[in-house]
Amino acid sequence: GAVVSQHPSRVICKSGTSVKIECRSLDFQATTMFWYRQFPKKSLMLMATSNEGSKATYEQGVEKDKFLINHASLTLSTLTVTSAHPEDSSFYICSARDRGLAGYNEQFFGPGTRLTVL
Amino acid sequence: EDQVTQSPEALRLQEGESSSLNCSYTVSGLRGLFWYRQDPGKGPEFLFTLYSAGEEKEKERLKATLTKKESFLHITAPKPEDSATYLCAVRTDSWGKLQFGAGTQVVVTP
Repeated sequence: GAVVSQHPSRVICKSGTSVKIECRSLDFQATTMFWYRQFPKKSLMLMATSNEGSKATYEQGVEKDKFLINHASLTLSTLTVTSAHPEDSSFYICSARDRGLAGYNEQFFGPGTRLTVL
Repeated sequence: EDQVTQSPEALRLQEGESSSLNCSYTVSGLRGLFWYRQDPGKGPEFLFTLYSAGEEKEKERLKATLTKKESFLHITAPKPEDSATYLCAVRTDSWGKLQFGAGTQVVVTP
């Protein structure tokens, strides 16, 4: 149980294009999902918190117009990198909290999406 | 400002050589300390959650402990498949936002 998927796993795009990354909780409902960014040999940096049916909350320094987040259902959140540039190349990872677990605190992570902008 | 510091940055062990990883934290209100394992090119895999000082949890060769200022992840008689980066994170708000440490990269050689 508690499986989170991401699609695509890898994407290569040209500078100036937009890329959408999907995050799905496969076997549980997630009222809250999180988007992280990870640089090589670095730890995860939280970009934004996404709550179902409401606007995402972005961390300081993260451009909300650059990284559009939509959490339209209890099992799906999307991150769109708009007008991508080479500096946006990174490993993007989502996570989800399982509203059904007694502990309610565990976050389960997706496998990540490797974005390369040429 | 909340801080999470992990040490050492890297650890090289012989198979069977037990060791411990440290995660020290300074937070205004701890709502859980989490340990994750991350393999290269993959998302973190949940290991443990600890909530209060004195709490301990075990899973196979791993044991996590918590004090008021730090947590330890003990690896007993490690095997090469235990090679990974181990991440520590703290939760400080009601939404579940996690702040991660930089991780400890563990390499276990046969």
